[in-house]
Amino acid sequence: QSVLTQPPSVSAAPGQKVTISCSGSSYNIGKNYVSWYQQLPGTAPKVLIYDNNKRPSGIPDRFSGSKSGTSATLGITGLQTGDEADYYCGTWDSRLSAGVFGTGTRVTVL
Amino acid sequence: QVHLVQSGAEVKQPGASVKVSCKVTGDALTDLSIHWVRQAPGEGLEWMGGFDPEEGKTYYAQKFQGRLILTEDTSTDTTYMELRSLRSEDTAVYYCSRSEDSFDIWGQGTMITVSS
Repeated sequence: QSVLTQPPSVSAAPGQKVTISCSGSSYNIGKNYVSWYQQLPGTAPKVLIYDNNKRPSGIPDRFSGSKSGTSATLGITGLQTGDEADYYCGTWDSRLSAGVFGTGTRVTVL
Repeated sequence: QVHLVQSGAEVKQPGASVKVSCKVTGDALTDLSIHWVRQAPGEGLEWMGGFDPEEGKTYYAQKFQGRLILTEDTSTDTTYMELRSLRSEDTAVYYCSRSEDSFDIWGQGTMITVSS
């Protein structure tokens, strides 16, 4: 059972914007950096955002991250069919001394 | 460029153990923090454990305490994940991943099937 909660699914038309929330606690999101991962079917996850809002080289600026208190948000603008995937937030939980992932969100492009 | 190459898929009987390897190329294992994450069919990502070279400490998820052993062989730049007393619920893809600000580099995954 994950300690980080995400909506099961979000959807929008091509070109539109979606946001995915990740809700945690003062022990995890409230105290540590958040990362976001994209997982296409049958592949390993890929990091999209690290340190709350930084993009690795090669990740387009259509992807953005933010954090406020014990919640984090991933935004995807200019939605493309290739963005259909599962998205996970992740961070460290200082009380558990363990890594934690969100429950995952399926993005569907209508 | 760092790459992580994992061992192949395995089928195990309930109660057995499995040991998955993750070989590092492009850097020395001693400089890296490698973690293990698994994903059961149709389920989300689950962090299992990992090594912090700065602290010289291995962390384990509470759920796997006593059943999971993470080891390293620095002479071959290979890290290992051994899971004991396997049950059907351990059927999953197991990934090793480099932890550096995030899990930024991942192995290709190893499918472990637990079935009698």
